[in-house]
Amino acid sequence: NAGVTQTPKFQVLKTGQSMTLQCAQDMNHNSMYWYRQDPGMGLRLIYYSASEGTTDKGEVPNGYNVSRLNKREFSLRLESAAPSQTSVYFCASTGKRGGRETQYFGPGTRLLVL
Amino acid sequence: DQQVKQNSPSLSVQEGRISILNCDYTNSMFDYFLWYKKYPAEGPTFLISISSIKDKNEDGRFTVFLNKSAKHLSLHIVPSQPGDSAVYFCAASVTGTASKLTFGTGTRLQVTL
Repeated sequence: NAGVTQTPKFQVLKTGQSMTLQCAQDMNHNSMYWYRQDPGMGLRLIYYSASEGTTDKGEVPNGYNVSRLNKREFSLRLESAAPSQTSVYFCASTGKRGGRETQYFGPGTRLLVL
Repeated sequence: DQQVKQNSPSLSVQEGRISILNCDYTNSMFDYFLWYKKYPAEGPTFLISISSIKDKNEDGRFTVFLNKSAKHLSLHIVPSQPGDSAVYFCAASVTGTASKLTFGTGTRLQVTL
């Protein structure tokens, strides 16, 4: 049981390049999320998917697109990367631990846009 | 508009003493609150949560207190251990569940020997 996995771990892009961040969970969770973490800003929700086949915008969706490929996988795409998208990206899914509902996070993808 | 605030960016505590991390919120619709711990280069991990119908929840060395009238929650760690050194985030939800969380900016806790 790997939990939430993310690829790649680290990526450098030039302005205008595109890339897709991959996320998968093996816990049979319905809901999945993409966050970005910037210094002094905490985690901010980019997009989420309440169930397979549905996606919704979060707090900071501009410049991103998502795909909920199946119940396991939720990808985040940057069509034309900008330096402002330099950040650490976390994927998460919702489930229960010890009877309490929480989000389980992946290890993160560090993205640098030059 | 920062709906969840952690006003102390950092905190240093001696090993064995109590660590108290604070979190304030502005949205009175929040009804489920969580604390996460984050080590460098790792994702956040869940510590403890509390529903708005309670004012206290304990799990081992960790206790979360909720004061709804003051819109304030706190995390107490007793006794503090060096392995507790990490960044702590509080988070809140309006759904009564862990969906669509709003996070605070985090407090870096350092536990010294």
